[in-house]
Amino acid sequence: AQTVTQSQPEMSVQEAETVTLSCTYDTSESDYYLFWYKQPPSRQMILVIRQEAYKQQNATENRFSVNFQKAAKSFSLKISDSQLGDAAMYFCAYRSNNDMRFGAGTRLTVKP
Amino acid sequence: NAGVTQTPKFRVLKTGQSMTLLCAQDMNHEYMYWYRQDPGMGLRLIHYSVGEGTTAKGEVPDGYNVSRLKKQNFLLGLESAAPSQTSVYFCASSYWDSPNTGELFFGEGSRLTVL
Repeated sequence: AQTVTQSQPEMSVQEAETVTLSCTYDTSESDYYLFWYKQPPSRQMILVIRQEAYKQQNATENRFSVNFQKAAKSFSLKISDSQLGDAAMYFCAYRSNNDMRFGAGTRLTVKP
Repeated sequence: NAGVTQTPKFRVLKTGQSMTLLCAQDMNHEYMYWYRQDPGMGLRLIHYSVGEGTTAKGEVPDGYNVSRLKKQNFLLGLESAAPSQTSVYFCASSYWDSPNTGELFFGEGSRLTVL
């Protein structure tokens, strides 16, 4: 079964600085999607960024970018110019066929 | 535009009681999912459905049943609730076909407490 591992239960960053959240996954599939979701205290799950495995170019969405290393099965999220509103739980997710699996999450704190 | 709606949002049960969580989506999605979220464990897939009349087991299906009688609704049932089922439950739905790239759309969650 596919597994997703987030090795950092908690991370902290100073406002305006850059932080990187780590994610690794295990799969035997060649075609899949990877996602980062944000969950603020409101509990709503919000899509931050997605990456298709067949694309070599790393996805970017404004201040959010990923470092996708397919051979290493690594998918890290970089948040640039961190803002107070970025404070949340961040979940890495893997999807192939009908199944979507999540990591345990990283709680990000942003210090003013 | 409602998206994915879960009812109820909160519920307290006694051990052994039964209940049903309802998920409704208005986006004509084929795929629907039920997850549970527990501290330190992320979201774990309970059951899912790839279309009306179909269901399949996920990672943690024991103690739960589901039904997808209508395309827009996905029901999660607890026949005999146990304290271990205390959790926050999320419903999600999605397309699969390109160019929608499989993103899941989530409901707001339902907090269930079993005493």
